[in-house]
Amino acid sequence: DTEVTQTPKHLVMGMTNKKSLKCEQHMGHRAMYWYKQKAKKPPELMFVYSYEKLSINESVPSRFSPECPNSSLLNLHLHALQPEDSALYLCASSQDIGLANEKLFFGSGTQLSVL
Amino acid sequence: GQQLNQSPQSMFIQEGEDVSMNCTSSSIFNTWLWYKQDPGEGPVLLIALYKAGELTSNGRLTAQFGITRKDSFLNISASIPSDVGIYFCAVPADRGSTLGRLYFGRGTQLTVWP
Repeated sequence: DTEVTQTPKHLVMGMTNKKSLKCEQHMGHRAMYWYKQKAKKPPELMFVYSYEKLSINESVPSRFSPECPNSSLLNLHLHALQPEDSALYLCASSQDIGLANEKLFFGSGTQLSVL
Repeated sequence: GQQLNQSPQSMFIQEGEDVSMNCTSSSIFNTWLWYKQDPGEGPVLLIALYKAGELTSNGRLTAQFGITRKDSFLNISASIPSDVGIYFCAVPADRGSTLGRLYFGRGTQLTVWP
């Protein structure tokens, strides 16, 4: 299994809603990532988890709250989002971090629209 | 953050033509990656390069790691309609550390006319 699975594929939410994005991988990878991608732009890193611990928070607003329940799962909890948060949210995983031969495997993403 | 200069920004070509795109940086990197992203999907790794001067192929795709370690090229031969998408170059943002984040180029949007 070489897939990173993200659910839901599409999500529409209001600014007062609370929702969660989910990501799962069964490749035994110990590093997982959340990226945000606006249309026609490259992905931008939000969070990095290594061995289920948060390693990097790229100054992301607190309305985005990541969670890593175990080595295979990564969640992104959303609360009180703004319309400008509408974007494609990508989950990725890698075998480890700091390896010379680093490769990230991406999920298909969740296309989020905030109304 | 690190700026990768990727060009061209977009390409419109006829099926069967060859394609070439490149990324340059003012900094040296030990790894260059090329990803392709289809609409509504996540990026998929095409080729990874780890040594200066390295030339690596993946089917009709060929990528090279520049000898200065500041650039990389991706060539697609005999393009077909399914080559349509956005191609990104990427480099690890942190050398010699335990952080696995990537810097991405701005992407090259490829359109192939049948």
